Amino acid sequence: AQSVAQPEDQVNVAEGNPLTVKCTYSVSGNPYLFWYVQYPNRGLQFLLKYITGDNLVKGSYGFEAEFNKSQTSFHLKKPSALVSDSALYFCAVRGSYSGAGSYQLTFGKGTKLSVIP
Amino acid sequence: DAGITQSPRHKVTETGTPVTLRCHQTENHRYMYWYRQDPGHGLRLIHYSYGVKDTDKGEVSDGYSVSRSKTEDFLLTLESATSSQTSVYFCAISDIKGGRYEQYFGPGTRLTVT
Repeated sequence: AQSVAQPEDQVNVAEGNPLTVKCTYSVSGNPYLFWYVQYPNRGLQFLLKYITGDNLVKGSYGFEAEFNKSQTSFHLKKPSALVSDSALYFCAVRGSYSGAGSYQLTFGKGTKLSVIP
Repeated sequence: DAGITQSPRHKVTETGTPVTLRCHQTENHRYMYWYRQDPGHGLRLIHYSYGVKDTDKGEVSDGYSVSRSKTEDFLLTLESATSSQTSVYFCAISDIKGGRYEQYFGPGTRLTVT
């Protein structure tokens, strides 16, 4: 069965510094990986995905993620953090086939990012 | 929130009462999902649908049922609410046309069972 681990419950970073939110995964077959962000009292917003191709994936709001197959990781990065980036971040992996063309997503438990002014 | 609405947005109910949450989409996406979000657990799949009247169970389906009579609507029913079902419930949609596998989420419903 597929699984996702986000080893840090919370990450603190100073505004203007680079940020990294870590994610490791376990899945059979080729991994389809996703990052989502959740602001307070809001639903999850899709940031970016890796399906195939270049290991560095660019997404919304200046975020990018680096896929590393040998380390089974998909870390989320941003070169310069903003206070407005403070939110809850979820990594997800496409998992088992659910039938009729549908696949489930398995989510990590989330990492709370706090950007300090 | 990608053309997805959820109603109600907040609800307080008593133990033992039935509760129905509604998800409505305007994207004509084939697949719809219900998740619950709890601290320390991330998101867990309750039920999903891959078409009208086609539904299946997810990871935490006990005590929940769903129905989908139209493409745009996916209902989640708590048959007899319990305090352990106090949570935030999210609906999501997806469609794999064009190689898109990501899911898009609604704004959530905060349910409190007293």
